Amino acid sequence: EVQLVESGGGVVRPGGSLRLSCAASGFTFDDYGMSWVRQAPGKGLEWVSGINWNGGSTGYADSVKGRFTISRDNAKNSLYLQMNSLRAEDTALYHCARGFLIEDWGQGTLVTVSS
Amino acid sequence: DIQMTQSPSSLSASVGDRVTITCQASQDISNYLNWYQQKPGKAPKLLIYDASNLETGVPSRFSGSGSGTDFTFTISSLQPEDIATYYCQQYDNLPRVTFGQGTKLEIK
Repeated sequence: EVQLVESGGGVVRPGGSLRLSCAASGFTFDDYGMSWVRQAPGKGLEWVSGINWNGGSTGYADSVKGRFTISRDNAKNSLYLQMNSLRAEDTALYHCARGFLIEDWGQGTLVTVSS
Repeated sequence: DIQMTQSPSSLSASVGDRVTITCQASQDISNYLNWYQQKPGKAPKLLIYDASNLETGVPSRFSGSGSGTDFTFTISSLQPEDIATYYCQQYDNLPRVTFGQGTKLEIK
């Protein structure tokens, strides 16, 4: 069974930083690209960032480019999202997702940016 | 960046109705277009992949069509359990993808 378990969310002040982690199991992690997708309260899905199987190719939404960095550690079956210069509009539930044609999602970790 | 324009943003229909949602890409994405269903408090569920392929286990009343820039998602006969928000997603230029804005479907 595929499992994706996010952690690292919390409350942070504007301008602060957080590092999200996603622990993956139940599949061969380095066979898949991975994505982070967020959903602000009452809003739609927003793709945040993606990374290919070996970390050699990454992509970001314009809204987070230059502030967020995605990475992965295939030896640890883990995906990360380093979030810097956080803004109120980054407040959302952040999901880790397997692949880009997404059949599996984590339950999410909540990030709240507030003073 | 590829932009996805999904319409309508909300839709009210009766049980048994045929429901259609459209998604337009800002450039040619071939058939790299997926459709998801999201019910409140739940993770999205993949329904249609590569524009027209039904995911395993998804009822046949759901279908998708289109290629290039214009895509359509259809529910042939709306059921009460289909109440959800539906999203299109393009994945033509990996590892970047884009979601449409979503269509909230309600029962009339």
